[in-house]
Amino acid sequence: KAGVTQTPRYLIKTRGQQVTLSCSPISGHRSVSWYQQTPGQGLQFLFEYFSETQRNKGNFPGRFSGRQFSNSRSEMNVSTLELGDSALYLCASSPRPSGELFFGEGSRLTVL
Amino acid sequence: GENVEQHPSTLSVQEGDSAVIKCTYSDSASNYFPWYKQELGKRPQLIIDIRSNVGEKKDQRIAVTLNKTAKHFSLHITETQPEDSAVYFCAASLDRGSQGNLIFGKGTKLSVKP
Repeated sequence: KAGVTQTPRYLIKTRGQQVTLSCSPISGHRSVSWYQQTPGQGLQFLFEYFSETQRNKGNFPGRFSGRQFSNSRSEMNVSTLELGDSALYLCASSPRPSGELFFGEGSRLTVL
Repeated sequence: GENVEQHPSTLSVQEGDSAVIKCTYSDSASNYFPWYKQELGKRPQLIIDIRSNVGEKKDQRIAVTLNKTAKHFSLHITETQPEDSAVYFCAASLDRGSQGNLIFGKGTKLSVKP
């Protein structure tokens, strides 16, 4: 069974631009969560989706948004990028809400 | 909301020694406590978890204990090996089936010296 796939793996943007990251969950998993990982801050929760509905949202500004499609694939978008948005963005899928998380390899975003 | 504190941030042990990582959580309603291991350059992976109706759980050299009254839980690794070197994250969640999300601690970097 294929794991969680995230694209792109690496990307470089400049301040003020926007970015869209994609996540394909493990087949059959309907829950998708997004985390931001930075040195010293660990894994910070962004949002969780289940059956196309956002169930939970972390403490991030409105520039961070996401959605989930009917095939459970998910995207997150960050608008008006800031230098502090540079991080590894991890997507994780789960067979059920609040179940074990299976992480992707992440999308490493660098904002210049 | 839930807040998870994790200590220490770094831990260095000799091969064969034991390692203990401690976490505290703020929301007494949290009832699911997993531990994830992230090796350098790799994705986090679940190594063990415990639910609030259990006080201790073991899996070979790894064990987790939970003290609900004190709202803290710990990871114990015995007979450490160099391949145990990684960053370990604890997490807590309120698993009501239709609500909840994992809130992680900031991680502990464990180094096992041969």
